[in-house]
Amino acid sequence: EPEVTQTPSHQVTQMGQEVILRCVPISNHLYFYWYRQILGQKVEFLVSFYNNEISEKSEIFDDQFSVERPDGSNFTLKIRSTKLEDSAMYFCASRDLVGQPYEQYFGPGTRLTVT
Amino acid sequence: SQQGEEDPQALSIQEGENATMNCSYKTSINNLQWYRQNSGRGLVHLILIRSNEREKHSGRLRVTLDTSKKSSSLLITASRAADTASYFCATDLTDKLIFGTGTRLQVFP
Repeated sequence: EPEVTQTPSHQVTQMGQEVILRCVPISNHLYFYWYRQILGQKVEFLVSFYNNEISEKSEIFDDQFSVERPDGSNFTLKIRSTKLEDSAMYFCASRDLVGQPYEQYFGPGTRLTVT
Repeated sequence: SQQGEEDPQALSIQEGENATMNCSYKTSINNLQWYRQNSGRGLVHLILIRSNEREKHSGRLRVTLDTSKKSSSLLITASRAADTASYFCATDLTDKLIFGTGTRLQVFP
């Protein structure tokens, strides 16, 4: 069964460094998402992406964040200058073009630790 | 803003018992979905119920939706130790999912 994959599974970085989290969505999917989950808290929406542009973003998704689909398969989340509070599990999700109702398929997540 | 709140926050039961988790939300929705998360792992989609549906079944799962009360419940029947996980409801009105706070379910063998 096709699945969303994410790399790396765990990333440790120092405060102020740039990180890029990578996702490979399911191949025929055209909508892409990033969510994050701070340890012990709820999953929060960051951004949705369709047709090579951001569809919607949350207040969390400030100028330090960016997303890109550099080729036909990868979907990336970049954090330009990481802060301690960016430590969280980051989930990528994707869905196909079929209309409502739909299911978002989630990847296994990347645990980001900022020290 | 939309917000899902689950109760109870934590639930401990014995294998074979039924587990019921509740979710409340604040605004209109298109659909409500339930996800499962094993400790520190990814989210697994369990079931989706549309706003015009009242009940849905999938295997040992039964979901109800009451849009007048803005609430949903997830029932897991004949629970197993492998059902131990956190369970989240997620609502959508636009394209994004709004997750609840989750219920941590522990099933003892």
